[in-house]
Amino acid sequence: DTGVSQDPRHKITKRGQNVTFRCDPISEHNRLYWYRQTLGQGPEFLTYFQNEAQLEKSRLLSDRFSAERPKGSFSTLEIQRTEQGDSAMYLCASSPGQGSYEQYFGPGTRLTVT
Amino acid sequence: QKEVEQDPGPLSVPEGAIVSLNCTYSNSAFQYFMWYRQYSRKGPELLMYTYSSGNKEDGRFTAQVDKSSKYISLFIRDSQPSDSATYLCAMTRGGGNNRLAFGKGNQVVVIP
Repeated sequence: DTGVSQDPRHKITKRGQNVTFRCDPISEHNRLYWYRQTLGQGPEFLTYFQNEAQLEKSRLLSDRFSAERPKGSFSTLEIQRTEQGDSAMYLCASSPGQGSYEQYFGPGTRLTVT
Repeated sequence: QKEVEQDPGPLSVPEGAIVSLNCTYSNSAFQYFMWYRQYSRKGPELLMYTYSSGNKEDGRFTAQVDKSSKYISLFIRDSQPSDSATYLCAMTRGGGNNRLAFGKGNQVVVIP
């Protein structure tokens, strides 16, 4: 399967703990995106990488959130000191770039903060 | 006003009917339009990708874009129970950061 993969698929954590999610994009896609989706809503943009450079962050991405894409391949999203409001589906997408703007999503990581 | 409006009301149709979904948007800079299908607790799956105004057909699916009215539509012909899912419209300016702006999604139920 050469689609976008995410790990873990589900994460339950206690408030105040740190969590880290991983995304492996479609190979050779140089653009990678993180979105957050809550129940009954469409995904909301969090941040975007072109290769290893993080080029934009949404105002939704508080200081507790950090994302990396160290070698321009996989990416990680870390949430520090989790809060109950962080409970959501975290989605990763990749895009070929170079004039093609469609985005392909992974299965998501469902985070529950208790 | 949200960038993309999609009436989230659930839609139930009998098997074989035509499903009609639509979104409106406010940002005239949007040029690339997508429809995604999302099954419960899964990631969105790209169904249709179109550029600017016009129609695009792929099997039972037809996407329409009317940029002058800032209105896009998705039609599903001969609907099947397996089409039961949430359908999300999404759009982007293209260019540098092509972040997607999404509608809330329409839950569709096709009744056998």
